[in-house]
This record gives sequence, structure tokens and C-alpha cells, in this order.
Amino acid sequence: GIQVEQSPPDLILQEGANSTLRCNFSDSVNNLQWFHQNPWGQLINLFYIPSGTKQNGRLSATTVATERYSLLYISSSQTTDSGVYFCAPHSTDSWGKLQFGAGTQVVVTP
Amino acid sequence: EAQVTQNPRYLITVTGKKLTVTCSQNMNHEYMSWYRQDPGLGLRQIYYSMNVEVTDKGDVPEGYKVSRKEKRNFPLILESPSPNQTSLYFCASSLRQPSGSINEQFFGPGTRLTVL
Repeated sequence: GIQVEQSPPDLILQEGANSTLRCNFSDSVNNLQWFHQNPWGQLINLFYIPSGTKQNGRLSATTVATERYSLLYISSSQTTDSGVYFCAPHSTDSWGKLQFGAGTQVVVTP
Repeated sequence: EAQVTQNPRYLITVTGKKLTVTCSQNMNHEYMSWYRQDPGLGLRQIYYSMNVEVTDKGDVPEGYKVSRKEKRNFPLILESPSPNQTSLYFCASSLRQPSGSINEQFFGPGTRLTVL
């Protein structure tokens, strides 16, 4: 199956800082999703992005499917951005399976 | 409101006592799936369903059963729960594209299960 690697595994940011999270994947993908898991365990959809760039407020994501990676940008971070960020590619070889990366744990300090 | 609901949200039970975690979606999605999340192991797929009466195993199906008799519901059944099934469980749903691949997945709020 598809291998997914996220980096860095942990990130500590001061409020207001910018950061980039990376997701590398081993196979061709139809699509890719980014999620934020808040401290209460809820999984929140951030982006559904097969290729190109999307922006939503202070967050943006870029997927370069031909090079098998995706990036999530957090700008002007806030304490509410704390949590775990997961990427989940949809492999072209596996219609029904979504493979999650191990996640990046983000802590934003005041 | 478009949503995926799960019940119960929290459950403490004992080894061997059969239980069912329900999942329901109101978005007319063909695809539904169950995942479990464990510390250090991330989210792993248990079972998925591409449509009514069509189910298939994910990466960790042992000890679980599912059924898809109606489009909106996809219950997860633990016939004889064991402590290693203590986990956070998520249900998800998605539209299917004409090509057969799945669209954006939407997740339920999670069910925290403890098996003593």
C-alpha cells in the first residue's frame, strides 16, 4: 500500500509565527485530504486538494501530485491551531482506502 | 445540517459483551468507512463499504463485523470485545465519483471505547 510520511513529527510555535508541514507519499494519488484533530479528538476537514493550491483564511495547502508531496502552510498561528495535523492521500490503486500519515503534533504557545 | 453521527460517544464495557456502535449520515453518500485511532499508530481503516450490501476489509478487520443494509447506516459490531479493542473509533462517509474513486471524506465525532 501507499506509504505516507509527515514531517516534522512535532512543532512548537509561538503565537503569530508561520510554519510549513510536509506530507510525502509513495504512490500516485487521486486526491489528498488534510485534517486537523483538535485537543478534544474531533477531526476537522481542512482541505481536499488533488493538485494545485487552495487557501482558507490563514491556512493554505499545495499538492504537487507528480512529485508526490503536499504542503500545509499555517500563517500567523493562534493557540486554537494546536492539535495534530494529518494528511491522507487517496491512492489510485486502492479505491476504498484512505491511508493516514502519522501526523504532525503542533503546539502554539501564547 | 449535513453530518455524520455516531452513537454512543463514550462507552465502557467488559470483555466478551457484544456491542454495536452506530454510524449514520444524511448526505446520501455511497461510501462509508470505519477507522480506529491508537496512540503511536495513527488512524487505521477497519472496514469500508462502497455501497449498500458491498463491504470490504480494511487494514485491521479482525474482531469486527459490519453491515450495510441501508445507504445511511453503517454499524460497527464487536461480537466479543477484548481489551486490545480499546480505542477511539471514527466513522466517515463520502460520495463516489463516476470513476469509482471516492471524494472528500467527512468524519463523525468519534466514539471512545474502553474494554475492561
